[in-house]
Amino acid sequence: ILNVEQSPQSLHVQEGDSTNFTCSFPSSNFYALHWYRWETAKSPEALFVMTLNGDEKKKGRISATLNTKEGYSYLYIKGSQPEDSATYLCAFIRAGGTSYGKLTFGQGTILTVHP
Amino acid sequence: KAGVTQTPRYLIKTRGQQVTLSCSPISGHRSVSWYQQTPGQGLQFLFEYFSETQRNKGNFPGRFSGRQFSNSRSEMNVSTLELGDSALYLCASSLDPSGGWVIETQYFGPGTRLLVL
Repeated sequence: ILNVEQSPQSLHVQEGDSTNFTCSFPSSNFYALHWYRWETAKSPEALFVMTLNGDEKKKGRISATLNTKEGYSYLYIKGSQPEDSATYLCAFIRAGGTSYGKLTFGQGTILTVHP
Repeated sequence: KAGVTQTPRYLIKTRGQQVTLSCSPISGHRSVSWYQQTPGQGLQFLFEYFSETQRNKGNFPGRFSGRQFSNSRSEMNVSTLELGDSALYLCASSLDPSGGWVIETQYFGPGTRLLVL
């Protein structure tokens, strides 16, 4: 059973604060890690696909890093805005022929940004 | 380009009934995956289809089944519904042009919310 853990479970910040959260995943048989943002009443939106140890990805004020050797990824949001309020999900893909299409998701971090 | 669409968006059924949900992927996408989301379990993988073949299956009972058509549209069926099947069902599509597992972004639909009474 694959265990993908996210912390914290929820986070409340003030507008303008920078924040970060963690995704932990099995360090063996790593293939890829996805980050998604899921706003209420919308579809999950892909943020990043990360594959290489040491990867850093950036999209506007959001960035992510990856450490496959120790099995974690950080997502950073700089200068949080109320529109960043959402659930942030990471999803792990294990190497191997039985992983077609299968994302194993963490429980998510619920971010609320207060004006 | 139109996104992933799912029909119906909401559904109410009673225990013992069966239900069919539909997913139309983004044009050109050939891989379709299905997920179940419940408050306690989060997003759980159900199965994945590519070129009308099921390539992968999650840990769900045989009451959950699916299929994919030649135009890549997919359906999932749940027979003999139980109260615990109440959930949001999401489908996601990806390009997967080579027919093998490549690192593709999965694009999600809005989901079908099923309530079993």
